[in-house]
Amino acid sequence: QVQLQESGPGLVKPSETLSLTCTVSGASVSSGSYYWSWIRQPPGKGLEWIGYIYNSGSTNYNPSLKSRVTISVDTSKNQFSLNLNSVTAADTAVYYCARGGVISSWRHWGQGTLVTVSS
Amino acid sequence: QSALTQPASVSGSPGQSITISCTGTSSDVGGYNYVSWYQQHPGKAPKLMIYEVSNRPSGVSNRFSGSKSGNTASLTISGLQAEDEADYYCSSYTSSSTGVFGGGTKVTVL
Repeated sequence: QVQLQESGPGLVKPSETLSLTCTVSGASVSSGSYYWSWIRQPPGKGLEWIGYIYNSGSTNYNPSLKSRVTISVDTSKNQFSLNLNSVTAADTAVYYCARGGVISSWRHWGQGTLVTVSS
Repeated sequence: QSALTQPASVSGSPGQSITISCTGTSSDVGGYNYVSWYQQHPGKAPKLMIYEVSNRPSGVSNRFSGSKSGNTASLTISGLQAEDEADYYCSSYTSSSTGVFGGGTKVTVL
């Protein structure tokens, strides 16, 4: 079955870059049929869509984050990654990676990883 | 893009039916049949309950059903059970080819 697992630092300093990786098993990130996505959830708050990568290269991002976000894929490792630069405390959240058959629907999720932005 | 609008909380007694609304615009909910619903228990990842307005993934109880009218989508939980107590989120495709979530609804089983 499809499984996703997030990994990366749990603590990032303000103004630095948050970098997370999602390792996929049971499916190929190079498949052209799925949207490999990042979603986040600040503590005690709701879900926020960050963006996706599709067909190993096509991307789209939340307009509110677009200037700071990059999503990329490493097909050799069957992983996709999130980079968010110039972070502030407002970027503190649980970050989820997910796979969807359409842009806005995700059947498979990682367990989530908490990233705290603090000096 | 603005978040979709959901009630903050909905409650019901065991066995009752409840409905959660999700209101957007013609640029998201009203314009496409790509509304999904998720259930999230504390400390867990969201679980897809409904996709494309009214379709249930395999393994999801038929007590959960979805519908849409105009710019508002709805999730109905019938025969409410204690295990249904959780947060519920809607999501929609948008005209900018992005995704957007609702603010979430806390369901309490009395």
